Amino acid sequence: DVKVTQSSRYLVKRTGEKVFLECVQDMDHENMFWYRQDPGLGLRLIYFSYDVKMKEKGDIPEGYSVSREKKERFSLILESASTNQTSMYLCASSPGDFYEQYFGPGTRLTVT
Amino acid sequence: AQSVTQPDIHITVSEGASLELRCNYSYGATPYLFWYVQSPGQGLQLLLKYFSGDTLVQGIKGFEAEFKRSQSSFNLRKPSVHWSDAAEYFCAVGAKDGANNLFFGTGTRLTVIP
Repeated sequence: DVKVTQSSRYLVKRTGEKVFLECVQDMDHENMFWYRQDPGLGLRLIYFSYDVKMKEKGDIPEGYSVSREKKERFSLILESASTNQTSMYLCASSPGDFYEQYFGPGTRLTVT
Repeated sequence: AQSVTQPDIHITVSEGASLELRCNYSYGATPYLFWYVQSPGQGLQLLLKYFSGDTLVQGIKGFEAEFKRSQSSFNLRKPSVHWSDAAEYFCAVGAKDGANNLFFGTGTRLTVIP
């Protein structure tokens, strides 16, 4: 089975802190994605990556950056956390174009 | 641009009753379509997918969905709902244009009453 893991299930950070969310997949997938999920808004794509060291902006990249130094790992970085970044963050991976995405369990981030 | 509409925010059904969750998409060509389910506090799990061929697709947990091109719809159905089906359901559409991004609907929350 494909496994996508995220470093934390719950995280509480203070405003202004730098936050790292880690995602690892074990199936050698090419593509990896970061979404945030908010009630009534569904999933919104923050960033995605087609290959190591490659990244593309999604629909809501402002306030976020990403890093993909190894194929299996995709990190989401909040440079200076703000309260409006309190959300559920979901990581996903897929083997390539036209395939379904496999999701991790999510990280619920609270910024106070 | 692709978009997905799930018109029902919340649906309540009795255990054993049939279920239909609606999904309408907007896309200029033939899309590929997915239904995902999310249990409370969990990530998303794929229920079923449609890429081409037979327009009625079977998924896990007894779910099925039918692609209707004329109505731009991909509704999810289950003949008899179980209490464990209570969850949030997301429809998603992807584009066969070289990008591998999915566009998700806002979700339908299903409550099952005994």
